[in-house]
Amino acid sequence: AQSVTQLGSHVSVSEGALVLLRCNYSSSVPPYLFWYVQYPNQGLQLLLKYTSAATLVKGINGFEAEFKKSETSFHLTKPSAHMSDAAEYFCAVTPGIGSQGNLIFGKGTKLSVKP
Amino acid sequence: KAGVTQTPRYLIKTRGQQVTLSCSPISGHRSVSWYQQTPGQGLQFLFEYFSETQRNKGNFPGRFSGRQFSNSRSEMNVSTLELGDSALYLCASTEGSFLYNEQFFGPGTRLTVL
Repeated sequence: AQSVTQLGSHVSVSEGALVLLRCNYSSSVPPYLFWYVQYPNQGLQLLLKYTSAATLVKGINGFEAEFKKSETSFHLTKPSAHMSDAAEYFCAVTPGIGSQGNLIFGKGTKLSVKP
Repeated sequence: KAGVTQTPRYLIKTRGQQVTLSCSPISGHRSVSWYQQTPGQGLQFLFEYFSETQRNKGNFPGRFSGRQFSNSRSEMNVSTLELGDSALYLCASTEGSFLYNEQFFGPGTRLTVL
């Protein structure tokens, strides 16, 4: 069975500081991995996804994530936080090639950005 | 293109009632997925429809059901509402498989069961 663990339900950073949101996954088959962002009173927006191509994935709004199979991790980073990055972030996993599967989400990490 | 729309945005029901939520996908998208979001359980997959057929189903009781129409619009129904059904219900659409195409989410319907 697949699962996702996001370490830290709340993360607070100062504006301009590095953002690091942690995601570890469990999967018996090569996974596809996703990061989504949710702003208050809105649906989810895809930030980036890993589909077994390049291990370093670049997304929107300056975010990127690196797939590390040996660590079963897919951490999300951004070099310099902006006030507009304050939101909740979700990591998700699904079986890869050959399966429709469905997205299994982590519990989410709420990011606060201090001025 | 217009985004994914969900109606109604807010709904209050009492225990034992039933409710129907509606989702209109982005034009041209044939796949619609439904998710339940609660503070305790987080985001959980309910089901996915593609070309009017249920293609995938999550681990929810039979009180939760859905359907998709020929224009790709989808509805989900919850019968005999329980307090624990209070949640944000999100709908997402994609052109084909979300593995290869972005899944676009609507703003959700917030259901409160009293």
